[in-house]
Amino acid sequence: DTGVSQDPRHKITKRGQNVTFRCDPISEHNRLYWYRQTLGQGPEFLTYFQNEAQLEKSRLLSDRFSAERPKGSFSTLEIQRTEQGDSAMYLCASSRPSGSGAYEQYFGPGTRLTVT
Amino acid sequence: GEDVEQSLFLSVREGDSSVINCTYTDSSSTYLYWYKQEPGAGLQLLTYIFSNMDMKQDQRLTVLLNKKDKHLSLRIADTQTGDSAIYFCAESPTSGGSYIPTFGRGTSLIVHP
Repeated sequence: DTGVSQDPRHKITKRGQNVTFRCDPISEHNRLYWYRQTLGQGPEFLTYFQNEAQLEKSRLLSDRFSAERPKGSFSTLEIQRTEQGDSAMYLCASSRPSGSGAYEQYFGPGTRLTVT
Repeated sequence: GEDVEQSLFLSVREGDSSVINCTYTDSSSTYLYWYKQEPGAGLQLLTYIFSNMDMKQDQRLTVLLNKKDKHLSLRIADTQTGDSAIYFCAESPTSGGSYIPTFGRGTSLIVHP
């Protein structure tokens, strides 16, 4: 168990460019979540997958944001035509149901995006 | 919708107990979580409690839940400088099966030697 990994850890891009982030979950976890975290705030939910199915995407911030998990393993989050307001930490988490029924989420280290 | 509130800062002396408080709004059955975030890192799950429980203890951590007041607390016994971090409370209602958590803004714990 190597934990949740995210790549890249840091991304600096110019306004208007597209960016894509990758998340590799813990291997036996069937759920994968994406969050955005800005300074001084808690994580803000964006979307989640159960296996390869995207079960909630209405909270993606705009139609510039999209996510995929094509084979139910790793996931990508893409932001098209980046804006300065997209600058934030993007966090990925994975989970599976525990014996108690809770979904314990394990977070990756995040990708810090800076849009100049 | 859910809303989670936390005080923003707490300062304690090393060796003392820390108590971090949180209030939530959802009235349905819910899981309540505590996470720790160190600078530049992701969140680490510390512990959680289901809304039908009153208390949970795990080594130096004690979680207390007052369901009537929708108040959750995390007590850290014998606080160490390594406990300095931001602590997030989150609630995750079980209705609908999505278990999507709502996080508070986090409490920054500063431990003085």
